[in-house]
Amino acid sequence: DTEVTQTPKHLVMGMTNKKSLKCEQHMGHRAMYWYKQKAKKPPELMFVYSYEKLSINESVPSRFSPECPNSSLLNLHLHALQPEDSALYLCASSPWTGRRDGYTFGSGTRLTVV
Amino acid sequence: SQQGEEDPQALSIQEGENATMNCSYKTSINNLQWYRQNSGRGLVHLILIRSNEREKHSGRLRVTLDTSKKSSSLLITASRAADTASYFCATDAGDTGGFKTIFGAGTRLFVKA
Repeated sequence: DTEVTQTPKHLVMGMTNKKSLKCEQHMGHRAMYWYKQKAKKPPELMFVYSYEKLSINESVPSRFSPECPNSSLLNLHLHALQPEDSALYLCASSPWTGRRDGYTFGSGTRLTVV
Repeated sequence: SQQGEEDPQALSIQEGENATMNCSYKTSINNLQWYRQNSGRGLVHLILIRSNEREKHSGRLRVTLDTSKKSSSLLITASRAADTASYFCATDAGDTGGFKTIFGAGTRLFVKA
């Protein structure tokens, strides 16, 4: 299995809703990432997990809450989002060090906040 | 902050022509990567070049790296309509063990059949 699977593919949520994005990989990668991408912009790093521990938080608002229950799963819990949070959310993984290999990305979740 | 800047922002060519995209970055790097993204979906890793390498090939792709100029180029030879996509360079911030990869603004390539 050489894929990163993200669910759902599309999500529409209201500003008072709570929802979660899910990311799964079975390549034995020990680093996992969340990126946010607005239209016609590059992906922006949000969080990095290394060996199931949060190692980088790029000053992301607390309405985004990441979770790594095990080495194969990465969740992003969403609460009280704003319309400007609408974007493509990308999950990626890499072996324990990114210096040797590139990242494997999922297809993303397109989030619309109404 | 954005590490890589790409040039041109958009490129339109005919099928069969070569496409060249350039990337410049600001700080020291361990490696530089190129990715392709179709229609706003997931990114696909194309090629990685390490800071001690100057050139690398993969199929129709050729990547060069000039660390003295802090720049890289991606050449796609004999382009096809299926190469239509956005292309991003990405660099890792050298002091974070490769975990903090920052993407450039990207080049949108359109290959006309």
